[in-house]
Amino acid sequence: QSALTQPASVSGSPGQSITISCTGTSSDVGGYNYVSWYQQHPGKAPKLMIYDVSNRPSGVSNRFSGSKSGNTASLTISGLQAEDEADYYCSSYTSSSSFVFGTGTKVTVL
Amino acid sequence: QLQLQESGPGLVKPSETLSLTCTVSGGSISSSSYYWGWIRQPPGKGLEWIGSIYYSGSTYYNPSLKSRVTISVDTSKNQFSLKLSSVTAADTAVYYCARQTIAARTIDYWGQGTLVTVSS
Repeated sequence: QSALTQPASVSGSPGQSITISCTGTSSDVGGYNYVSWYQQHPGKAPKLMIYDVSNRPSGVSNRFSGSKSGNTASLTISGLQAEDEADYYCSSYTSSSSFVFGTGTKVTVL
Repeated sequence: QLQLQESGPGLVKPSETLSLTCTVSGGSISSSSYYWGWIRQPPGKGLEWIGSIYYSGSTYYNPSLKSRVTISVDTSKNQFSLKLSSVTAADTAVYYCARQTIAARTIDYWGQGTLVTVSS
């Protein structure tokens, strides 16, 4: 299975909004509403930020939101803060009852 | 609070079998709501899902690793394990154990990760 495609890097100034895309196929992103997003700071385990395309776990800031259109899912971070600087990964359930992650996006706060 | 802790050798020789165990505390591995899985991350690279197991023993594997992977569960010890055979340097990575929800098909809890290096 091929990794989902994400931009290598996205940057923004404090207070701005940024969007990270995650492109797959009809066998994964496009076929199921089981897209998740994870935040990973250096040397740390990933943290769940969004599940089921657009749901936030308890404790995750409402500055994080998710959406999907066709085979592409998106994560939007609004009101960008210094603490948001991290790597972000999407993931999706697939038609082969497996999971696939995205290639990862490094978010830089300017 | 649920906790997952990986354990096992940090160094494995090429062609040998990598073996790791994940101990779950603060919750039961026999819950009907979750799968228990393994994910890895080579140094400086992205995440790769390896596979997962239900408490009954049902397993799902990454098709690209399926021929070399075995995941097992020991409900009496609240543990599950990973075996990866015929390892090469490309298998050097931080290995995470994690809990996957069945309803949302997502990973909601992660272990801290353990680095396994394949080298002679």
